[in-house]
Formats: sequence, C-alpha cells, structure tokens
Amino acid sequence: DIQMTQSPSSLSASVGDRVTITCRASQSIFSYLNWYLQKPGKAPKLLIYAASSLQSGVPSRFSGSGSGTDFTLTISSLQPEDFATYFCQQSYSPPYTFGQGTKLEIK
Amino acid sequence: QLQLQESGPGLVRPSETLSLICTVSGDSISSNTYYWGWIRQPPGKGLEWIGSMFYSGSADYNPSLKSRVTISVDTSKNQFSLNLSSVTAADTAVYYCARLYTRIADYWGQGTLVIVSS
Repeated sequence: DIQMTQSPSSLSASVGDRVTITCRASQSIFSYLNWYLQKPGKAPKLLIYAASSLQSGVPSRFSGSGSGTDFTLTISSLQPEDFATYFCQQSYSPPYTFGQGTKLEIK
Repeated sequence: QLQLQESGPGLVRPSETLSLICTVSGDSISSNTYYWGWIRQPPGKGLEWIGSMFYSGSADYNPSLKSRVTISVDTSKNQFSLNLSSVTAADTAVYYCARLYTRIADYWGQGTLVIVSS
C-alpha cells in the first residue's frame, strides 16, 4: 500500500493567517492527490483534486501544489469556517489511502 | 442536487455480517462516468478506503478487507450496498458511501455509525 503522511498533525492559527499543510507519499503518485476538509460530525468535503485543481464551489483562497511524492495545501487567508481537519488522499493505486489528517485549530 | 443516503443497522453482533445500503438521488447509478464506493472512519481516527464498484460490476477492494467485503449495485433501485462479514470491534466506524470520479470522492453521504458489540 502507498503510505500517505501529513504534517503537521495539528496546527494553531489565527483568522487571516496563511497556512500550509504538507502531504508526502511513500512512492510517486504523479498528480493523483486530493485534499478534503472535514468538520466535526460531518462527511469530508472535496477541496482540491489532481493536486492543484479546485473543486467547483470551493473558495479560491484554497490552493494545492506538488507532484511525485510531495504535495502542499495552502489556505491564503484563514476564515472562521476553515477550522477543521484536512485529509489528503492518493487516487493513483488501490487501496486509495488517506493521510492521517491535520487538525487546524484557532489560536 | 445529488444526494447519497446510507441506511442499515447501527449495531451488529461480533462475527455477524454488516450490511449497509446507499440510496442515490439526483444521478443515475448506471452512469458510465462514476464509480460508487464505501469509506469508513473509526471514532476519532482517519479515513479508510473499503472499495468501489462500477455499475457493470467491475470492483476493487482494499486488500486488507477483501476476503470479507462485497459491494454490489442495484440499478433498478438506484442503490448500492456493502456487506462486511465476520465483523469484530475493529470494524466499529462511521461508514460513508460516496460517488467516485476516477477514485476521487466528490460527493459523500452523511455517514452512518455502526457499532460492533454483543
């Protein structure tokens, strides 16, 4: 299985901050990397697919980059509704594994 | 508006079979564009891919669960289902159904908690 490792596991930030979350794959997954946001008690929501494509309806303050094994999710200016847990997922090879999550909390 | 809704027992006895149904509205499960799949999340933990199926029957499963998992599609009811046999406490989780575009989960059900306990 391809292992997905996110860093950091948790992060404290303030409204308006620029935040970056990293996801590393145990082998090359080219650009088959997706990002999801999950709020407590809710299903995950797709934010970014294919490493850098913004899902329809997702605010432009979210962006993704990377290829191969190293990827980043950037939120340019944190809004109150962005405090949640973020997961990366590889869709290159089954089983389509997820990272362990990054919990973004209010400072 | 696409909606997916999981249904099934919230409590399953150890060694029995967990059975869930996902009812899809707003899209046809016979679409030749999408797969339909299941993902689970143990309480307080991360996400685990269970498997996915195309309407024609082509399926892929997580090897760690493959011997116990069956996903099937009922196009007449616009539903797909999950059966997980020989469950243990480790199978306690919130189970999500999802629409998958090239294994990208673009729409999710709200999730249903299944507890394995005697």
